Amino acid sequence: AQKITQTQPGMFVQEKEAVTLDCTYDTSDQSYGLFWYKQPSSGEMIFLIYQGSYDEQNATEGRYSLNFQKARKSANLVISASQLGDSAMYFCAMREGPNAGNMLTFGGGTRLMVKP
Amino acid sequence: GAVVSQHPSRVICKSGTSVKIECRSLDFQATTMFWYRQFPKQSLMLMATSNEGSKATYEQGVEKDKFLINHASLTLSTLTVTSAHPEDSSFYICSARDGRGWGNEQFFGPGTRLTVL
Repeated sequence: AQKITQTQPGMFVQEKEAVTLDCTYDTSDQSYGLFWYKQPSSGEMIFLIYQGSYDEQNATEGRYSLNFQKARKSANLVISASQLGDSAMYFCAMREGPNAGNMLTFGGGTRLMVKP
Repeated sequence: GAVVSQHPSRVICKSGTSVKIECRSLDFQATTMFWYRQFPKQSLMLMATSNEGSKATYEQGVEKDKFLINHASLTLSTLTVTSAHPEDSSFYICSARDGRGWGNEQFFGPGTRLTVL
């Protein structure tokens, strides 16, 4: 079974509008971490936001927020006020277990295209 | 945030040759580094976990004799693709976590694009 599922292979959003990128995960661990990364065409992986499984509040970082619904095992990324530079691949990832040095498992990614 | 570098950024080689890719943590010590491979239009797949001073742990299906990993110091891990073939052409990315416990995120290098002719 897929541990991380991103059901939207591609999405369009109008510039200045908000967009939600979906991510669901599967784990039996009580302690885990969820991450979102942005990968522009250059290939580098840019860390966006992190949510720990015990964090009660949704994580926010500037225009990025993570809609964490633990019971549904979903960790959707919300980008507010989209900009043209947000066009990129977005990957959701999970680290299982309490050890922050554990490996990350990635979802298949969502390609976001921002329209002017 | 912390910086991870990779060298080279792009390499083209002939089939049968070996290629070494370096991954360095520039401003922190990384007891653990990870090597990923990404084929076009696909996600990142973990190849191996590299621990300083010990043997790397390879994921199922990854040939350890073909992809040699050496974590020589707390700031350097190398991946050597031995006897490369065209099917090894891919984007190789390393990541590292600050071993001092700062933060939760893993920091990624800029990647190395390998093309085997």
